[in-house]
Amino acid sequence: EAQVTQNPRYLITVTGKKLTVTCSQNMNHEYMSWYRQDPGLGLRQIYYSMNVEVTDKGDVPEGYKVSRKEKRNFPLILESPSPNQTSLYFCASSSTGDYGYTFGSGTRLTVV
Amino acid sequence: GDSVTQMEGPVTLSEEAFLTINCTYTATGYPSLFWYVQYPGEGLQLLLKATKADDKGSNKGFEATYRKETTSFHLEKGSVQVSDSAVYFCALSGRNRDDKIIFGKGTRLHILP
Repeated sequence: EAQVTQNPRYLITVTGKKLTVTCSQNMNHEYMSWYRQDPGLGLRQIYYSMNVEVTDKGDVPEGYKVSRKEKRNFPLILESPSPNQTSLYFCASSSTGDYGYTFGSGTRLTVV
Repeated sequence: GDSVTQMEGPVTLSEEAFLTINCTYTATGYPSLFWYVQYPGEGLQLLLKATKADDKGSNKGFEATYRKETTSFHLEKGSVQVSDSAVYFCALSGRNRDDKIIFGKGTRLHILP
């Protein structure tokens, strides 16, 4: 089944403790992206990648890192999480923008 | 820059009512337009799309027509069901290299039995 898999689904962590949210897609898509979803703010893009070893900042990149060493994987790294990064995170992939994105099921992160 | 504006919710309707969720956009060039749906506890799913002016996207009884003259892409359904309760996002993708999709803020839809 074609899908984007994120892990974990839920995560509670403490301020400053480094964490990684994994994202993997099995559709051979070139394009991958991370979004965060917050009430009243909708979806905001954090980082995106157009292909292996090519990443770029989205609208809200501060406090996040990404890497794209393989085509299928696009992990999101929070080196020192803070409470304002408490949010619902989505990974998405696409072959081209015209076909739309396939989204993962989301990761609900709480930073205390 | 490019942007999407959609009607604020929540929208509450009775089952079998007619649905319209308004969406307008601002973009340079000729973007592709999308509607995504997010059911409770799930990620976003592509509902329908249109890639050029006057195209009509349709899926699961929902329709939207790409209107370049009014820069709109309103979502409609003739008879909604309780199972249509979800958050709906209008979005556009410019024809630039980064394929970035820009989302509206979402409209929550409640359907009452």
